[in-house]
Amino acid sequence: KQEVTQIPAALSVPEGENLVLNCSFTDSAIYNLQWFRQDPGKGLTSLLLIQSSQREQTSGRLNASLDKSSGRSTLYIAASQPGDSATYLCAPDNYGQNFVFGPGTRLSVLP
Amino acid sequence: EAGVAQSPRYKIIEKRQSVAFWCNPISGHATLYWYQQILGQGPKLLIQFQNNGVVDDSQLPKDRFSAERLKGVDSTLKIQPAKLEDSAVYLCASSLDPASTDTQYFGPGTRLTVL
Repeated sequence: KQEVTQIPAALSVPEGENLVLNCSFTDSAIYNLQWFRQDPGKGLTSLLLIQSSQREQTSGRLNASLDKSSGRSTLYIAASQPGDSATYLCAPDNYGQNFVFGPGTRLSVLP
Repeated sequence: EAGVAQSPRYKIIEKRQSVAFWCNPISGHATLYWYQQILGQGPKLLIQFQNNGVVDDSQLPKDRFSAERLKGVDSTLKIQPAKLEDSAVYLCASSLDPASTDTQYFGPGTRLTVL
């Protein structure tokens, strides 16, 4: 059974800092892994999807890396802004077993 | 393109009552998911439909939860009778094809409070 952990659970930083959010999963036989953003009272928005054959994906100030063999993924946020404040969840997809979400990292970027 | 629609947005009921949630996925999306998200946790998959057939309902508490997706479009999730521990946000998501490298698109969720 896939288990996902995310560190840190919460993070508060001043605007402009570069951030690293960590995700670990126990079953490395994944099909892909997604990073999602969740704003309070809203659903989830997909940020990046990394295929199992890929090492990283980039979108704007976001970069996600994947080390499948060690069961880790990292989300880098460059030059953080107050608008980045949200909860970030990672979700590995074991094909045929669907996504298993981590508990999330709650990010607060202070102006 | 319209997103995933859910209603109601909020619902407060007493334990042992019944409640139903509705979801309308993005047009053309064959796969529909219902998730339960308890405060402070990530979403947990309850059931997955491919068109109007159930693909995965292994984590659905079938003694009290039921779901259907008639005609392969809209879906309803029902809880009968509700328990205090059912208080959560119920999220609906859809995707084009789970066999492809396709992302899931989420609705805003229904926040259920059971008193």
